[in-house]
Amino acid sequence: AQSVTQLDSQVPVFEEAPVELRCNYSSSVSVYLFWYVQYPNQGLQLLLKYLSGSTLVKGINGFEAEFNKSQTSFHLRKPSVHISDTAEYFCAVSDGNQGGKLIFGQGTELSVKP
Amino acid sequence: NAGVMQNPRHLVRRRGQEARLRCSPMKGHSHVYWYRQLPEEGLKFMVYLQKENIIDESGMPKERFSAEFPKEGPSILRIQQVVRGDSAAYFCASSPSLLSMNTEAFFGQGTRLTVV
Repeated sequence: AQSVTQLDSQVPVFEEAPVELRCNYSSSVSVYLFWYVQYPNQGLQLLLKYLSGSTLVKGINGFEAEFNKSQTSFHLRKPSVHISDTAEYFCAVSDGNQGGKLIFGQGTELSVKP
Repeated sequence: NAGVMQNPRHLVRRRGQEARLRCSPMKGHSHVYWYRQLPEEGLKFMVYLQKENIIDESGMPKERFSAEFPKEGPSILRIQQVVRGDSAAYFCASSPSLLSMNTEAFFGQGTRLTVV
C-alpha cells in the first residue's frame, strides 16, 4: 500500500526567507503527487500536482515542487515566504490504479514570523 | 459554479446519538470522496462513491459508519451511536471523473464533529 511521509511536523521561518517542506512516498509503478494547503478552519486547496512530464512543477502562490523518482521525494519549495503562507501543508499521493483515493502525509505546519 | 458544499460546518452530538454529514459535490462531478482528519493528524481516506455506487470503502470503520450518494441529492456520511473518538473534521471532495492528467479533487470546507 502507498504511504506518504512528511519529515517535518513544524517548520518555523522568518518572512522573506526560503523554505522547503519535505515529502517522501513509497514506491509504485505509477503515481500522481499533490501538495495541498489548509488555512485554519478551512478546507484543502490544491497548490500543485505532478502527473507526468517535467519533474519541476510550478503551482500557485509562488510554490514549486520537484519530483525525484530515484529518491521517491516530492519536496515543496518557495524562495521567499510571506506571513500569509502560514498554514498546514499536506503532501498526497494517488496510485492511478486506486481511482481517486488520495493518501495523505501527516502535514507540516509552516509558521512564518515577521 | 459553487464549490463543494458541506453542511453543517459544525455539529455537536451527545454520545449515542446519530450524526449526519452532507456533501453536495461541484456541478457536473459524479465522484465523491470522504476523508476524516483527527486532531494533529493528516487526512485519512474513508470512502469513495460514484452516483448510487460505493466504489471503495476500505477506510470506513466496520461498524456504525455508512455512506451513500443517491441519484438525486447530496452524499451523506452517517455515523450511528457516536462516541468521543468520532470527534474530528470530516472532509468531502469531488471530481468529475477518476484522477488523471486533467482532473483533480476539489475539497469542501469540512464538517467539524464534536461528541460530548
